[in-house]
Amino acid sequence: DTAVSQTPKYLVTQMGNDKSIKCEQNLGHDTMYWYKQDSKKFLKIMFSYNNKELIINETVPNRFSPKSPDKAHLNLHINSLELGDSAVYFCASRLQGQGRYGYTFGSGTRLTVV
Amino acid sequence: QKEVEQNSGPLSVPEGAIASLNCTYSDRGSQSFFWYRQYSGKSPELIMSIYSNGDKEDGRFTAQLNKASQYVSLLIRDSQPSDSATYLCAVKGNTNAGKSTFGDGTTLTVKP
Repeated sequence: DTAVSQTPKYLVTQMGNDKSIKCEQNLGHDTMYWYKQDSKKFLKIMFSYNNKELIINETVPNRFSPKSPDKAHLNLHINSLELGDSAVYFCASRLQGQGRYGYTFGSGTRLTVV
Repeated sequence: QKEVEQNSGPLSVPEGAIASLNCTYSDRGSQSFFWYRQYSGKSPELIMSIYSNGDKEDGRFTAQLNKASQYVSLLIRDSQPSDSATYLCAVKGNTNAGKSTFGDGTTLTVKP
């Protein structure tokens, strides 16, 4: 009955590789997000989709590309991984509606680039 | 100036005491304010949300909002060791994108 599920939970890969993280929510929410949490615990937004439409695209290297095949799924593909990409990536979802709803986060994907 | 600033911490309180966590924000048009709790190695979990000036209570938690001072706080009464975690303040601006901006977090330790 996981509300927001991310896979994989851990990802260790070499520099230069391409990897994907998948996210799915079964809450019926219409907005989904990707956040990056660095080693100092700071959460920074990367992307947001509302009903498959990209609505937030923060200053993120274009090696990062989100894809939302439907409103329940939001995936993140990362090309040419770099050491600085090592972080925990959280998917989150929220019910739209005057912003009065907080996020439900997935369990996170800890990405380590070696 | 950071968009959302939290008291730097770490904060340590004895069991049973009141823990007070503070947050200020720069966007005067912000509409919604949230507190998340994040245990080490886990994902953030929403514990309180507040939209109007004043206090909002939920069990041992009280959120306080003062829009004129651009200040939001979280009080935890009768603190328990299980409250030991990082508390993240998040602020949603006045756009439809629904983006929340987070503070750096305050780490709370409740000592038995």
